[in-house]
Amino acid sequence: AQSVTQLGSHVSVSEGALVLLRCNYSSSVPPYLFWYVQYPNQGLQLLLKYTSAATLVKGINGFEAEFKKSETSFHLTKPSAHMSDAAEYFCAVSVPRTGRRALTFGSGTRLQVQP
Amino acid sequence: SAVISQKPSRDICQRGTSLTIQCQVDSQVTMMFWYRQQPGQSLTLIATANQGSEATYESGFVIDKFPISRPNLTFSTLTVSNMSPEDSSIYLCSVGGGFTDTQYFGPGTRLTVL
Repeated sequence: AQSVTQLGSHVSVSEGALVLLRCNYSSSVPPYLFWYVQYPNQGLQLLLKYTSAATLVKGINGFEAEFKKSETSFHLTKPSAHMSDAAEYFCAVSVPRTGRRALTFGSGTRLQVQP
Repeated sequence: SAVISQKPSRDICQRGTSLTIQCQVDSQVTMMFWYRQQPGQSLTLIATANQGSEATYESGFVIDKFPISRPNLTFSTLTVSNMSPEDSSIYLCSVGGGFTDTQYFGPGTRLTVL
């Protein structure tokens, strides 16, 4: 079965600093990987996705993530944090080849951005 | 991307009652999913709902507690039955499809059970 581990339930950065949110996955077959963002009292918004094409994936709001098969990782980065980036971030995996098309989510990382 | 709406957006209910949550999509989709997000936690899949077939429930979720209807390709309902305070959560529907299996989420229904 597939799983996702997000290291760090809370991450705090200064405005303008690098954002790094960690995600490691476990899957017996090539996975699809996603990052979603949830702003307070809102639903989930897709940031970016990896679906076996380019390993470096660019998403919205300046975020990007790199799929590293050797490290089973899909870390999310942004060069310069903005106050509006403060939110909860979820990494998720699906393995359509197994017939399981639903998403398995990590536990989430709450990003705080300090002025 | 699909546009998804949910009703109600929030509700406060009494213990022992039931609430039906509606999910409407602006396009026809094969697969719909229902997730639960308990306070301060991640999302957990409740069930997968395909039109014309019985919903498939995940371990720990049963049809008697969470009956689901999927009458057509744009609509689904989730009922939370015989509620207790432990059912207080955000319930989200999502739709998936296409080659990349991207899932799009509704805004969620915030349920509080007293």
